[in-house]
Amino acid sequence: GIQVEQSPPDLILQEGANSTLRCNFSDSVNNLQWFHQNPWGQLINLFYIPSGTKQNGRLSATTVATERYSLLYISSSQTTDSGVYFCAVDSGGGGTSYGKLTFGQGTILTVHP
Amino acid sequence: GAGVSQTPSNKVTEKGKYVELRCDPISGHTALYWYRQSLGQGPEFLIYFQGTGAADDSGLPNDRFFAVRPEGSVSTLKIQRTERGDSAVYLCASRAGVRTSGGSSYNEQFFGPGTRLTVL
Repeated sequence: GIQVEQSPPDLILQEGANSTLRCNFSDSVNNLQWFHQNPWGQLINLFYIPSGTKQNGRLSATTVATERYSLLYISSSQTTDSGVYFCAVDSGGGGTSYGKLTFGQGTILTVHP
Repeated sequence: GAGVSQTPSNKVTEKGKYVELRCDPISGHTALYWYRQSLGQGPEFLIYFQGTGAADDSGLPNDRFFAVRPEGSVSTLKIQRTERGDSAVYLCASRAGVRTSGGSSYNEQFFGPGTRLTVL
């Protein structure tokens, strides 16, 4: 099956710093999502981004599907950004893909005040 | 409701007991997934429903695990003869599955808050 690797595994920042999280995947994908798992375990959707670039406030993401990687940018980090960031991909084909997601191991982000 | 809901939020049981975990997907979503997340790991796929039928149950670890979705909405994950190794957070997700006029892609999955299962 498809392999998903995230880096770095851990990241510690001071509030206000910027960061880049990376997701590499081993095959072409039909779906790629970035999630933030908060301390209560809830997976919060950040981006649905199988290709291209999107921005949402201080967060942005870029997926270069032909090179099989995606980047999540966090600017002006805040303590509330702390948690685990997951990249998840679906390698099923076509518009009728059933969407089974394969997750990376996550990046644990800690933002200190 | 507005999002995916799961009950109970926590379940503590004894080894060998039977448990049921419930998932209410987003209204109108045709696709439903169960995942399991162990400590320090990303979620892992268990089973996928399209409508009432289990389209892919390849992630179920063994025959003690079973899931149903009889009316194509609510789903129940059933675990028989629980073992300590079954302890994990069980997550449910749903996806529209068909093109909609809404802002999100029909392919985007939304997760519930999970059920934390502890087997003593």
